[in-house]
Amino acid sequence: DADVTQTPRNRITKTGKRIMLECSQTKGHDRMYWYRQDPGLGLRLIYYSFDVKDINKGEISDGYSVSRQAQAKFSLSLESAIPNQTALYFCATSARPGTSSKINEQFFGPGTRLTVL
Amino acid sequence: QQPVQSPQAVILREGEDAVINCSSSKALYSVHWYRQKHGEAPVFLMILLKGGEQKGHDKISASFNEKKQQSSLYLTASQLSYSGTYFCGTDSGNTGKLIFGQGTTLQVKP
Repeated sequence: DADVTQTPRNRITKTGKRIMLECSQTKGHDRMYWYRQDPGLGLRLIYYSFDVKDINKGEISDGYSVSRQAQAKFSLSLESAIPNQTALYFCATSARPGTSSKINEQFFGPGTRLTVL
Repeated sequence: QQPVQSPQAVILREGEDAVINCSSSKALYSVHWYRQKHGEAPVFLMILLKGGEQKGHDKISASFNEKKQQSSLYLTASQLSYSGTYFCGTDSGNTGKLIFGQGTTLQVKP
């Protein structure tokens, strides 16, 4: 079974709709991240969370919100989707420094392809 | 600011070598390298911490020059399996937060 899972894998929605992307992990990591990937722009950080009570904005948080429901779950919401939020979204996790994993090595989920019409 | 990667794309024949560069405008604590194959998620290759260390992963190695705020990824005797997009991710202060470059697409042909 995959260590980092994302649902849905594909989603088509309309402008103005609220949508939630979900991420779950079984790696036992404290840290979780949401990125979006656009051609030619690489991976851009939307939000990140270093533990359940810690939420931080990334480079491009406008138009997005997140919820860390538990150590293993981190959800990304688009309150009112717009076409330029069409992208591939990745969730990632990493262990806290001092644990056995390589420093800040991030493990990515399979991605959610979102299309906003 | 995003680090800048160069070149944006490179095409090689099997067995040829390539270098991918990553340059930041900010002082760096660490540089990470990831590879993403088409249709898949990015996968960690290696991390370099400040101190100018060099690391290797099979025939892929990297260097980190903290004074120049640059890192380079070296792919030696490339194989078809090396094809994909390579991303550097930079951390300016051991924050755990990475800022990724725009990616370099590598295509290895038989």
